[in-house]
Amino acid sequence: EAQVTQNPRYLITVTGKKLTVTCSQNMNHEYMSWYRQDPGLGLRQIYYSMNVEVTDKGDVPEGYKVSRKEKRNFPLILESPSPNQTSLYFCASSFRGASGELFFGEGSRLTVL
Amino acid sequence: QKEVEQDPGPLSVPEGAIVSLNCTYSNSAFQYFMWYRQYSRKGPELLMYTYSSGNKEDGRFTAQVDKSSKYISLFIRDSQPSDSATYLCALGREGNTPLVFGKGTRLSVIA
Repeated sequence: EAQVTQNPRYLITVTGKKLTVTCSQNMNHEYMSWYRQDPGLGLRQIYYSMNVEVTDKGDVPEGYKVSRKEKRNFPLILESPSPNQTSLYFCASSFRGASGELFFGEGSRLTVL
Repeated sequence: QKEVEQDPGPLSVPEGAIVSLNCTYSNSAFQYFMWYRQYSRKGPELLMYTYSSGNKEDGRFTAQVDKSSKYISLFIRDSQPSDSATYLCALGREGNTPLVFGKGTRLSVIA
């Protein structure tokens, strides 16, 4: 089954404790992206990757890092989480770049205390 | 002016009603027009994808694009309780620029 898998789905952490949200897709897509979704603000792109070792900032990259060492994986790293990073995070992938159909993961709800 | 405007609702309709969801946009460079459906506690999933002005139909769903007015619509005929979800419009441009999403309209179809 074609899917984008994110882990963890739910996480409560404390300010400053580094965490990683993993994302893996099994569709051999080159393009992958991270979004956060907040009430009243909608979906906002954090980072995206056009291919292995190629990443770029989206609209709200501050406080986040990413890496793309393998085609299937695109982890999101919060080096020192802060309460304003409490949000619902989605990983997505596409076979046709930024403007193609995006396949989303189920989401990771993060709470930073 | 925001790039994409979408009324957040909520919109509540009786089962069987025709639903109209809309987005307006300001940048004429947008070439790709999409509608995503997002159920509670789930990721968005693509519902409709259109490239040009005009209508595209898929079952009970019709996507309409009017580039001259910078206005896109999604119509749902014979709405069902299972259509209750948040609907997001998404617009794309040529090249590798990311999609721009509307904030979503929350729809409830009451049986």
